[in-house]
Amino acid sequence: GNSVTQMEGPVTLSEEAFLTINCTYTATGYPSLFWYVQYPGEGLQLLLKATKADDKGSNKGFEATYRKETTSFHLEKGSVQVSDSAVYFCALTAETGANNLFFGTGTRLTVIP
Amino acid sequence: NAGVMQNPRHLVRRRGQEARLRCSPMKGHSHVYWYRQLPEEGLKFMVYLQKENIIDESGMPKERFSAEFPKEGPSILRIQQVVRGDSAAYFCATRSAGTGGNEQFFGPGTRLTVL
Repeated sequence: GNSVTQMEGPVTLSEEAFLTINCTYTATGYPSLFWYVQYPGEGLQLLLKATKADDKGSNKGFEATYRKETTSFHLEKGSVQVSDSAVYFCALTAETGANNLFFGTGTRLTVIP
Repeated sequence: NAGVMQNPRHLVRRRGQEARLRCSPMKGHSHVYWYRQLPEEGLKFMVYLQKENIIDESGMPKERFSAEFPKEGPSILRIQQVVRGDSAAYFCATRSAGTGGNEQFFGPGTRLTVL
């Protein structure tokens, strides 16, 4: 079946620190991969995506590379800000089917000044 | 262009009552997904609808839960005879027919509390 496993939190970093949140997946074929961010009390916003192997998604200083050989899509940012504090979800849609998203459990990031 | 709208944002029900959650898609979006987020967990897919049709309801409990997306008006997720375990945040996400299934836009969610 389809599933996503992501690094459990919470993660607490100082401002300007380097961020990595690990994400691995299980899926048949070639899924599309996503990172969503959820700020307190809000819905999810798409942060970045990649639709085929070796694609790199990037947005707002965040990056993630679709690695087929390791079935991974780790999220990175070189220098986090306090405003990056949120919950981050890794997700996939299967190559075929209803295109519903399969989510990881989320990683809560807190950035302290 | 307004985003995905959900109402109410917060809903409190007593055990045995009914809960109705509404989702108004973004303009031009005809595909709706409902997800449930239990406390401290990720979102779980419940049901996928297009106008007037349920396409995939594999994630929805067989009893007490139903969903519709009529020709006119919002999509509705209905929970009958709620129990405490139904307490969760319910999110809808919508997309257009032309995106090829890639980007879904999420509403702000309805937080259901069952007393």
